[in-house]
Amino acid sequence: DAGITQSPRHKVTETGTPVTLRCHQTENHRYMYWYRQDPGHGLRLIHYSYGVKDTDKGEVSDGYSVSRSKTEDFLLTLESATSSQTSVYFCAISGGLDEQFFGPGTRLTVL
Amino acid sequence: KQEVTQIPAALSVPEGENLVLNCSFTDSAIYNLQWFRQDPGKGLTSLLLIQSSQREQTSGRLNASLDKSSGRSTLYIAASQPGDSATYLCAVKNSGAGSYQLTFGKGTKLSVIP
Repeated sequence: DAGITQSPRHKVTETGTPVTLRCHQTENHRYMYWYRQDPGHGLRLIHYSYGVKDTDKGEVSDGYSVSRSKTEDFLLTLESATSSQTSVYFCAISGGLDEQFFGPGTRLTVL
Repeated sequence: KQEVTQIPAALSVPEGENLVLNCSFTDSAIYNLQWFRQDPGKGLTSLLLIQSSQREQTSGRLNASLDKSSGRSTLYIAASQPGDSATYLCAVKNSGAGSYQLTFGKGTKLSVIP
């Protein structure tokens, strides 16, 4: 299995609070991605990174920001969580425009 | 905008049967196509990656085919086992603009009955 960890694995928070999810990789891959998975919508890309400090928006980026200060870490921040952001969040990595490998996921509940 | 469809949404088969899962996509300008498996409450496990120039890929009892011109891929599972029960997801990566993004289907939930 690709060396990808996500933390926390589960989180319950209240509307309006900031939340940061962390993705850590040990593969030294250049590309990192954040997806969310929702019933009826499948997996959708939030943001991605193509190098340290290089990030771009995905399909559903509103309400989310990301940062990547080191190759191995990619952070996803919800500045002010809303109930619509209740979801399962997956981090993925790839060495190029090829195979993506996914982390175990973080289940976030916003009350 | 690329759209990926997987039919059926759910499939139940007896152990030992060979089966085919289907994936279709609307834009044939793809870079590659990837099949994943997802167990309940777990992450995605990559099964097979097919580049746009390839017609098929094989791994053990799994064989994935790609017909880019018709916008279709199939995942063939031979001699199914109860341990194959999971949701299978198909995802395509477009070439050109937006090529970093995978577009996913909603999956086929497979149940293999002992």
